[in-house]
Amino acid sequence: DVKVTQSSRYLVKRTGEKVFLECVQDMDHENMFWYRQDPGLGLRLIYFSYDVKMKEKGDIPEGYSVSREKKERFSLILESASTNQTSMYLCASSQARGQETQYFGPGTRLLVL
Amino acid sequence: AQSVSQHNHHVILSEAASLELGCNYSYGGTVNLFWYVQYPGQHLQLLLKYFSGDPLVKGIKGFEAEFIKSKFSFNLRKPSVQWSDTAEYFCAVNPNSGYSTLTFGKGTMLLVSP
Repeated sequence: DVKVTQSSRYLVKRTGEKVFLECVQDMDHENMFWYRQDPGLGLRLIYFSYDVKMKEKGDIPEGYSVSREKKERFSLILESASTNQTSMYLCASSQARGQETQYFGPGTRLLVL
Repeated sequence: AQSVSQHNHHVILSEAASLELGCNYSYGGTVNLFWYVQYPGQHLQLLLKYFSGDPLVKGIKGFEAEFIKSKFSFNLRKPSVQWSDTAEYFCAVNPNSGYSTLTFGKGTMLLVSP
């Protein structure tokens, strides 16, 4: 089974702090994704990566950055957390470009005070 | 840009009732279509998917979905729901080209009362 793990299930940070969310997948997938999930808004794509050191903006990249130094690890960075970034963050991975299912991690619920 | 519309935000059914959740997408080309489900406190997981071929696809736990190209729809169905089907359901679309990104609908929360 594909396993996608996220470093924290719950996180509480203060406004202005730099926040790192880590995601690791164990299936040698090329693609990795970061979404945020908000009630009534579904999942919205923040950033994705289709290869090591490659990154592409999704639909809502503002206020976020990402890092992919190793194939199995994809980090989401909030440079200066704000209260409107309080959300559930989901990481996903899939095999190379094409008709591949995305597999999701358990999510990190981030609260920014 | 492509978009996905789910018709209902909340659905409440009694056990044994039939279920149909609507999903429409806006994209002119060939698409791959997915339904994901999120049970309370659990990961988002794949329910079923359509890439090509028979437009009626069957998924896990007795769910099925029908792709109607002319209507840009991919509705989810189950003949008889159970209390354990209480969950949030998401429709998602991926254009059959380029990157493997998904555009999700806003989700439908299904509550099944025993």
